[in-house]
Amino acid sequence: GQNIDQPTEMTATEGAIVQINCTYQTSGFNGLFWYQQHAGEAPTFLSYNVLDGLEEKGRFSSFLSRSKGYSYLLLKELQMKDSASYLCAVGMEYGNKLVFGAGTILRVKS
Amino acid sequence: DSGVTQTPKHLITATGQRVTLRCSPRSGDLSVYWYQQSLDQGLQFLIQYYNGEERAKGNILERFSAQQFPDLHSELNLSSLELGDSALYFCASSVGQGTYSNQPQHFGDGTRLSIL
Repeated sequence: GQNIDQPTEMTATEGAIVQINCTYQTSGFNGLFWYQQHAGEAPTFLSYNVLDGLEEKGRFSSFLSRSKGYSYLLLKELQMKDSASYLCAVGMEYGNKLVFGAGTILRVKS
Repeated sequence: DSGVTQTPKHLITATGQRVTLRCSPRSGDLSVYWYQQSLDQGLQFLIQYYNGEERAKGNILERFSAQQFPDLHSELNLSSLELGDSALYFCASSVGQGTYSNQPQHFGDGTRLSIL
C-alpha cells in the first residue's frame, strides 16, 4: 500500500521559518510534489523534486532524500497569508497519479 | 486563476440520484484528472484521461464513470448517489501524460457535492 505521513498541524510566528516534514512509503516513485491549499479552495502547486537535494523558489524551498523516503518544505519569512494546508504528494506510475498525504495545517500567528 | 474551469460550483441532490460534473482543462493541456476530497479521507485520486483515453485509475467506485471528449473537456458521472459521496470534487489538468519532467497538475476550484 501507499503511506504518506505529515504532521497534522503546526503553528509558527509571522516572520519566522517553518519546516513541514513528509515521509513516504510507496510502491513506486516518480517525483514528490508540494501543494498549498487554503480552506475551501483549489490546491496550488508549490514545488517538485525528483532528484535528491534542495530546490529553492523564493521564500519556499523543498528537499528530497529518496533513500530515506523523506521530504520537507521550508517556508521562510512567514506571512499571515501562508496560513493554509500543505499537501505532500508522491507521483506514481508515470508520475501523473498523485497520492496525497492528509496535509499539514499551518497556522501563522502575529 | 489556474485556468481550469469546473461547473457547477455547488450541487445539492438526494440519495439515489445521478449527477454530472464538468471540467475544462487549461488551454494546451491534454491530461485531465479527477480527485475526491472529503474530510475523513483527504484528497483521493480517481481517474486520469489523456487526449481522450483513460490513462490511470485510482480508487474510483463502479458507480462513478468519466470520459474526455474530443475538445478535451471531461465529465465525471456519479450515479446511485449515497450520503458518503458528499465531498469536494476537483479536476486538474497538465500538459502531458507523465512525467520525467516537472509538469505539475493545476487544479480547478472544485464542485462541492452535497447529498441530502
